[in-house]
Amino acid sequence: AQTVTQSQPEMSVQEAETVTLSCTYDTSESDYYLFWYKQPPSRQMILVIRQEAYKQQNATENRFSVNFQKAAKSFSLKISDSQLGDAAMYFCAYRSVGGSQGNLIFGKGTKLSVKP
Amino acid sequence: DTGVSQNPRHKITKRGQNVTFRCDPISEHNRLYWYRQTLGQGPEFLTYFQNEAQLEKSRLLSDRFSAERPKGSFSTLEIQRTEQGDSAMYLCASSPSRPVPGLPSYEQYFGPGTRLTVT
Repeated sequence: AQTVTQSQPEMSVQEAETVTLSCTYDTSESDYYLFWYKQPPSRQMILVIRQEAYKQQNATENRFSVNFQKAAKSFSLKISDSQLGDAAMYFCAYRSVGGSQGNLIFGKGTKLSVKP
Repeated sequence: DTGVSQNPRHKITKRGQNVTFRCDPISEHNRLYWYRQTLGQGPEFLTYFQNEAQLEKSRLLSDRFSAERPKGSFSTLEIQRTEQGDSAMYLCASSPSRPVPGLPSYEQYFGPGTRLTVT
């Protein structure tokens, strides 16, 4: 079975600075998808960034980028120029490519605080 | 269509009562997922529908839980004889099973959730 581990329960960053959130996963599959989701307080979960495992190039979405290390099974999220609106729970998630269901497997999350 | 909607947003019930939640997915999405999120944890998969067929159920889904998607559109999740351990946020997500122009086929869109408190 696949597992996702986020070892940082809480992180803090100064506004305009850069922060990196860590995620490791365990799988025996060779192809899969990885995601970072953001869950602001009392608001719904939204997708921040996605990575297909077969792509060597790290995904980037504006101020958000990932460092995908397939051999190390590591998938960290870097947030540049942090903004107050980035404060939220961040979840790393895994999804198999094959199979009939495609449900997401989440880590426990990292609570990010942004200081003005 | 503005996204996945869930009702009610909050539900407080007494132990032993039955509750039912509703999820309306994005209209062109034929896959629908239910997750449960307890405090301090990430969401955990409960069950999955493709159209009206329930194709997968997690071991977390005890026999007190039942989910339906009768016409392949909205879905309901019912919990019978609620227990305090059922207190959680229940999240619904939907995705297309084939690529939709501009959208990856594997991307799941989440609703705001229903927060259940069992007293």
